[in-house]
Amino acid sequence: AQRVTQPEKLLSVFKGAPVELKCNYSYSGSPELFWYVQYSRQRLQLLLRHISRESIKGFTADLNKGETSFHLKKPFAQEEDSAMYYCALGGYSGAGSYQLTFGKGTKLSVIP
Amino acid sequence: EAGVTQSPTHLIKTRGQQATLRCSPISGHTSVYWYQQALGLGLQFLLWYDEGEERNRGNFPPRFSGRQFPNYSSELNVNALELEDSALYLCASSLGGRFTGELFFGEGSRLTVL
Repeated sequence: AQRVTQPEKLLSVFKGAPVELKCNYSYSGSPELFWYVQYSRQRLQLLLRHISRESIKGFTADLNKGETSFHLKKPFAQEEDSAMYYCALGGYSGAGSYQLTFGKGTKLSVIP
Repeated sequence: EAGVTQSPTHLIKTRGQQATLRCSPISGHTSVYWYQQALGLGLQFLLWYDEGEERNRGNFPPRFSGRQFPNYSSELNVNALELEDSALYLCASSLGGRFTGELFFGEGSRLTVL
């Protein structure tokens, strides 16, 4: 079974402080990990995917298979980063079909 | 380019009734996904349709069903509504073929069951 855990429901940081949104996963195969973001009054959208190894809006995330983690990091938080962040795991379910499983999300609040 | 559109925006039903939610994917996308977002539970995968076929189903009872039409739009039906079905139902679409992980979401349909 696939499982994604985001231990923090809410994370508050000051502007300019580093940010780390935690994500741990459980999956027996080779995982594909993603971060999705939902800004206020906007749709849920893809932020980044581990396979791209890219930095989007200053955010990076490294897949650590040993710790089964995919934490999202940014060195200096900006007010516009305030949003709901969801970690997602792509993998094959028991029936052999691909499925994207989301965590419950972490609300990031950047304090001016 | 128009995004994923869902209707209705809000729907109020009573227990035991049926609800039908609709979704139009982005032009050119053949895959449609349905997720339920209940309070405190995050996004729970419901159904995935591609090229008119149901490809995968989440851990939901059979009273949750749907279909995909030849124009790739989709319908989610919830029969015998229960209070705990109250949630935001999100539809997403993607290109068919090898899944890349990028889903394009609609704004959702909020279902309230009284």
